[in-house]
Amino acid sequence: EPEVTQTPSHQVTQMGQEVILRCVPISNHLYFYWYRQILGQKVEFLVSFYNNEISEKSEIFDDQFSVERPDGSNFTLKIRSTKLEDSAMYFCASMIRDRPYNSPLHFGNGTRLTVT
Amino acid sequence: AQKITQTQPGMFVQEKEAVTLDCTYDTSDPSYGLFWYKQPSSGEMIFLIYQGSYDQQNATEGRYSLNFQKARKSANLVISASQLGDSAMYFCAMRLTGGYQKVTFGTGTKLQVIP
Repeated sequence: EPEVTQTPSHQVTQMGQEVILRCVPISNHLYFYWYRQILGQKVEFLVSFYNNEISEKSEIFDDQFSVERPDGSNFTLKIRSTKLEDSAMYFCASMIRDRPYNSPLHFGNGTRLTVT
Repeated sequence: AQKITQTQPGMFVQEKEAVTLDCTYDTSDPSYGLFWYKQPSSGEMIFLIYQGSYDQQNATEGRYSLNFQKARKSANLVISASQLGDSAMYFCAMRLTGGYQKVTFGTGTKLQVIP
């Protein structure tokens, strides 16, 4: 069964450094998302992406964050200058389509980002 | 805006027993979908079951069923015949109709199955 792939599984970075989290969504999916989960807490929406542009973003997704789908298969989340509070598990998700509302999000296994 | 509430931070259930995980939601939109996800200790998010706001029957998927009470705005997950592998965090989530609407998650319930 096709799945969403995220790399790396764990990333350690120093405060102030740029980090890029990578995702390969399921190939025929049209909608892409990034969520994050601070350890033991709720799953928080960051951004949704459709038709090569951001559809919606949360208050968390400030100017330090950006997303790209550079080549039609990869979907990346960049954090320009990481802060300690960016330490979390970051999940990429994709969805095949809206039919109108019953398509689940398919999640990758996550990238655990640790900022020191 | 939509809101999901899970009031049980933790639950215990004896192996082979059934367990109900509570979820209430709030939205003024008439069209929405409700989802349950399982997150084992390994961290991945696994989709379990879906219920649409216009669906007449409660959803079932194997040992999972969703007790949907629209008037009370509740969408409880029932797991029958609990297994040790069911020990995990369970998240209730909701999505409004239309386009690219995001999925909003509750705070989760940690279920532990006791042998």
